[in-house]
Amino acid sequence: AQSVSQHNHHVILSEAASLELGCNYSYGGTVNLFWYVQYPGQHLQLLLKYFSGDPLVKGIKGFEAEFIKSKFSFNLRKPSVQWSDTAEYFCAVNRGSQGNLIFGKGTKLSVKP
Amino acid sequence: GAVVSQHPSRVICKSGTSVKIECRSLDFQATTMFWYRQFPKKSLMLMATSNEGSKATYEQGVEKDKFLINHASLTLSTLTVTSAHPEDSSFYICSARSSTGSTGELFFGEGSRLTVL
Repeated sequence: AQSVSQHNHHVILSEAASLELGCNYSYGGTVNLFWYVQYPGQHLQLLLKYFSGDPLVKGIKGFEAEFIKSKFSFNLRKPSVQWSDTAEYFCAVNRGSQGNLIFGKGTKLSVKP
Repeated sequence: GAVVSQHPSRVICKSGTSVKIECRSLDFQATTMFWYRQFPKKSLMLMATSNEGSKATYEQGVEKDKFLINHASLTLSTLTVTSAHPEDSSFYICSARSSTGSTGELFFGEGSRLTVL
């Protein structure tokens, strides 16, 4: 079955540190890839997405992710985190534009001021 | 981006009662809506896919008679938890895909926290 793995359950960083959150998926065909963020007390919102083209995708708030097909990975990065980035981050994958999204278990990011 | 609204955001009910949660797409039409359940420290688990005007498709292990889903219009889907029990306490999230969209992006509601006493 298709699955999405996020390797880190909880990441704690100080402000200005660099961030990389891992995401791997198991499906071998064409996929669409997403990162969603859930700030405390708020609903899920899209951070960035990849469908095709340049494998380095830039999203909102300085986040970016790189799709590496050979590694089945779509890691999320940010060069310098801020306290306001404290949130839970979910990687998600779907096959085709109409399919359901399969989510990873999420990674909680805590940024210390 | 498109807006999806859920109501109520929090509900507390007694065991054995039924609770209805509404999911509305406010500024777009959604032919497909998805209902998820989010457990603490776990991923969002898809419960069912709701298509406007037809029966919902439930994921394996989800009781269709317990979690009734209705998608009567292009902007509204409802989830009714029937005869709720404490183990049904959870965070339920709906999401919707625009009927004109082709990117696969889902727009999420705020979620509804159900507590069954």
